Amino acid sequence: AQTVTQSQPEMSVQEAETVTLSCTYDTSESDYYLFWYKQPPSRQMILVIRQEAYKQQNATENRFSVNFQKAAKSFSLKISDSQLGDAAMYFCAYRTGHYGGATNKLIFGTGTLLAVQP
Amino acid sequence: NAGVTQTPKFQVLKTGQSMTLQCAQDMNHNSMYWYRQDPGMGLRLIYYSASEGTTDKGEVPNGYNVSRLNKREFSLRLESAAPSQTSVYFCASSAYPYEQFFGPGTRLTVL
Repeated sequence: AQTVTQSQPEMSVQEAETVTLSCTYDTSESDYYLFWYKQPPSRQMILVIRQEAYKQQNATENRFSVNFQKAAKSFSLKISDSQLGDAAMYFCAYRTGHYGGATNKLIFGTGTLLAVQP
Repeated sequence: NAGVTQTPKFQVLKTGQSMTLQCAQDMNHNSMYWYRQDPGMGLRLIYYSASEGTTDKGEVPNGYNVSRLNKREFSLRLESAAPSQTSVYFCASSAYPYEQFFGPGTRLTVL
């Protein structure tokens, strides 16, 4: 069974600085998708970034980028120029790439709470 | 487009009471999901529906039932609420192979 591990329960960063959130996963599959979701105090789950395992290039969305190391099964999120609005819980999630009912499920890590200091 | 909507947003129940959480999506997604979120445990899948007419158990299905009423709607029912079911409940939907879209959540307290 696949598992997702986020080893940093809490992180803190100064405004305008860069922070990296860690995520590792365990799978025997070669085709899968990885996601980072943000959950601010409003509780809404917001997709930050998506990475397809077959793509070697790391995904980037504005100030958010990932470092995807497939062999090491590592998927870290880098937030550049941190802003107060980035303060939230961040969840890493995994989904198999095989099509079909059960395989659309997301497996979540336990989350990292990010604080941004002014 | 409203995306994924959930009702109610908050609910307080007494032990043994029943209730149904409603979820609807307007994105024409085939798959829908119910999660619960507890402190320190991330989101755990309760039930899911890969397509209209099918439902399957997730990681923590005990004490819950679901109904996929049509392609848009997926409800979660607690037949006899217990304090251990105090949690925040999220509904989500997706279209393969893309990300899941989440509703705003329901905070449920069982006394």
